[in-house]
Amino acid sequence: AQRVTQPEKLLSVFKGAPVELKCNYSYSGSPELFWYVQYSRQRLQLLLRHISRESIKGFTADLNKGETSFHLKKPFAQEEDSAMYYCALGKGAQKLVFGQGTRLTINP
Amino acid sequence: EADIYQTPRYLVIGTGKKITLECSQTMGHDKMYWYQQDPGMELHLIHYSYGVNSTEKGDLSSESTVSRIRTEHFPLTLESARPSHTSQYLCASSFGTGDGYTFGSGTRLTVV
Repeated sequence: AQRVTQPEKLLSVFKGAPVELKCNYSYSGSPELFWYVQYSRQRLQLLLRHISRESIKGFTADLNKGETSFHLKKPFAQEEDSAMYYCALGKGAQKLVFGQGTRLTINP
Repeated sequence: EADIYQTPRYLVIGTGKKITLECSQTMGHDKMYWYQQDPGMELHLIHYSYGVNSTEKGDLSSESTVSRIRTEHFPLTLESARPSHTSQYLCASSFGTGDGYTFGSGTRLTVV
């Protein structure tokens, strides 16, 4: 069965420190992976797609098929990065399966 | 502006009432979805549609129903609301593979 696991419900780091939000998936096919972010009082929005291999707001994510992971990274955290982050796996006509989410808090 | 709209944002309703949550998008997306999310928890797919007159149930069993008579409109209906239906309902749409979803602002439903 397709599954997305985000092992950390809460993650707290200091401003300027590196951030890594973990995401592991299980899927027998070729995965399509995404990171979504929800800032306080805003709607859920797309942050990254693995197929585009881009950096958004300083965040990057690399698909590691061997480890079935798609961790989200940023070298220097900023206070405005505080938000809820969801990893999502696309399956069959792009029905997305979401992880449990990680609440990231950046301390000043 | 092309976007996806959900109404109402908040709804408090009594047990047994019939309710319809509205979702409309002006982006011309064929694919639309309804997710249910309890506070701080993951999103669960309850319904989806690939186009007009196409609707399917999602991974999470739901007593709600949906319709897709027009491309831009994907309403969700509960015939008889119960306290167990209290949750946040998120509507989303997309063009297709790899594009990701555009989400609405959600409807927070409370059934008392």
